[in-house]
Amino acid sequence: EDQVTQSPEALRLQEGESSSLNCSYTVSGLRGLFWYRQDPGKGPEFLFTLYSAGEEKEKERLKATLTKKESFLHITAPKPEDSATYLCAVQGNTNAGKSTFGDGTTLTVKP
Amino acid sequence: NAGVTQTPKFRILKIGQSMTLQCAQDMNHNYMYWYRQDPGMGLKLIYYSVGAGITDKGEVPNGYNVSRSTTEDFPLRLELAAPSQTSVYFCASSYAGTGDTNYGYTFGSGTRLTVV
Repeated sequence: EDQVTQSPEALRLQEGESSSLNCSYTVSGLRGLFWYRQDPGKGPEFLFTLYSAGEEKEKERLKATLTKKESFLHITAPKPEDSATYLCAVQGNTNAGKSTFGDGTTLTVKP
Repeated sequence: NAGVTQTPKFRILKIGQSMTLQCAQDMNHNYMYWYRQDPGMGLKLIYYSVGAGITDKGEVPNGYNVSRSTTEDFPLRLELAAPSQTSVYFCASSYAGTGDTNYGYTFGSGTRLTVV
């Protein structure tokens, strides 16, 4: 059974204070690891897909990295508008596009 | 391009009532999914479909049913609503091809359901 554990549950940063969110996973044959952003009262919004260890993807102040056991979402010089819940999900090779989600990390960036 | 459209946005049901949550996508995605999200928790898969006429159970299917008669629509039926079904329901779709052409989900804006 695929499993995803995200840490920390909540993270409070000052504007400009860089940090990282962690996603640890177990999956039978990784097909893809996904990061989503979810704002309150809205559906998750797709950010990145990572396919293999060593891969990195960037978007504005966000950079996602992947190892064989975990993924990190690095946030550089965050702004208040980066405040959201960040969800990590994995798909295995045998589960027909189904994603298993972690419980998320709620990021608050104070000005 | 509307993406994934869910209706209604909010609903209050009495115990034992039934309802259908509607989901439609206009991106010609082959895969569609229903997830529920309880407060402070991640998403739990209820049902999914890999194409018209094909559906299968996810992690938490009890109390729900689905159908997929067209590529675009994937309604979720709640029979005999119970308080444990109070949650936010998200429909999602994706294009899942072979090899590395596996894209992330596009989600709808959700249906907030309360069973009293």
